Amino acid sequence: NAGVTQTPKFQVLKTGQSMTLQCAQDMNHEYMYWYRQDPGMGLRLIHYSVGEGTTAKGEVPDGYNVSRLKKQNFLLGLESAAPSQTSVYFCASRSRSSYNEQFFGPGTRLTVL
Amino acid sequence: GIQVEQSPPDLILQEGANSTLRCNFSDSVNNLQWFHQNPWGQLINLFYIPSGTKQNGRLSATTVATERYSLLYISSSQTTDSGVYFCAVESDRYSSASKIIFGSGTRLSIRP
Repeated sequence: NAGVTQTPKFQVLKTGQSMTLQCAQDMNHEYMYWYRQDPGMGLRLIHYSVGEGTTAKGEVPDGYNVSRLKKQNFLLGLESAAPSQTSVYFCASRSRSSYNEQFFGPGTRLTVL
Repeated sequence: GIQVEQSPPDLILQEGANSTLRCNFSDSVNNLQWFHQNPWGQLINLFYIPSGTKQNGRLSATTVATERYSLLYISSSQTTDSGVYFCAVESDRYSSASKIIFGSGTRLSIRP
């Protein structure tokens, strides 16, 4: 099993550009999450999904959109990137059961100039 | 929403020392995990521990759910233990029961 994978690993954008961060998991998990981590800080939840076709807002959703068209994929979109969105983005997944741990991808380092 | 506080924010120790990291949370939880983020940014699962005590080698964790805290113990520290330790919780007291919220972390530096 590859676990949770993210693409790309690194990305540099100019202000106003758009892009999509991709996340895939092969563990048949129902729940998937997108977090951002700013330097010296913890992880903050952007959006999450409890199943295919459903998404919900987390703590810091502004400026981002997400889609979960397939159970194994969770996409994070930036429609008009801003320097404040420079961060490391982590995707995670876990089983629906209340007694299961969360697994993380390796992260995507995004710089917006 | 639920609040998660970790202490201390920073900890510097000599190799071989022991340490205790604390995670306090503001409401009842049904899910609590400890993670280690290594210097390369990778998040590594340490413990899934909503209650009770678990041990894995030099690391152990205890969660006292009724008193709303969890402790992570590291014994005989090694330089490879350096990094940031995060506590993350989920509470079913809120409508969005699948949200998992992270504390701000404890940055541990082990000196050789």
